[in-house]
Amino acid sequence: SQKIEQNSEALNIQEGKTATLTCNYTNYSPAYLQWYRQDPGRGPVFLLLIRENEKEKRKERLKVTFDTTLKQSLFHITASQPADSATYLCAQASGNTPLVFGKGTRLSVIA
Amino acid sequence: KAGVTQTPRYLIKTRGQQVTLSCSPISGHRSVSWYQQTPGQGLQFLFEYFSETQRNKGNFPGRFSGRQFSNSRSEMNVSTLELGDSALYLCASSLGTLAGFGNEQFFGPGTRLTVL
Repeated sequence: SQKIEQNSEALNIQEGKTATLTCNYTNYSPAYLQWYRQDPGRGPVFLLLIRENEKEKRKERLKVTFDTTLKQSLFHITASQPADSATYLCAQASGNTPLVFGKGTRLSVIA
Repeated sequence: KAGVTQTPRYLIKTRGQQVTLSCSPISGHRSVSWYQQTPGQGLQFLFEYFSETQRNKGNFPGRFSGRQFSNSRSEMNVSTLELGDSALYLCASSLGTLAGFGNEQFFGPGTRLTVL
């Protein structure tokens, strides 16, 4: 079965720096990857989707890349702020498979 | 537009009991998916319903079941509760099915279930 790994459980960065989170998948290449943000006690909130034929997607200070050779997606937050502190989840699916989520990376932006 | 609502928000049950959780999707959304979230396993897919039909099912025992009504509202039921069922149960709705097209999911706040 497909596995998806977010290889950092926690990441601390200084305010103003770029945060880079990694999502790796095994086996087959997913049709798309999604990134979500989750705050404590709340449900995840959708941020970005990138499809297998896309290399990069941007939304304001967020950027996602998709490298099918490395079987990896990178999620960047530029000019990070303390309000960006949250857990970020990646999820992927292919064909008729349900979404598989990674366990998340807890980002802390220190002022 | 109102978001996804889940009731109840918190629930305490004892082993062996059963529980029913409810989810109301965003108006116009026909797909409802359920997830279990625990610190150890993360977010795990339970099942997806679309137009009252179960489209996909995760790797959970038969004690976990669900259904969807004609107004797209959904319920999930867990029978014979075990301690390990303690978790945050999240419901998410989307316009179309999850398969293939990457439809954005909108999550509810979840139901926190504690089994004693």
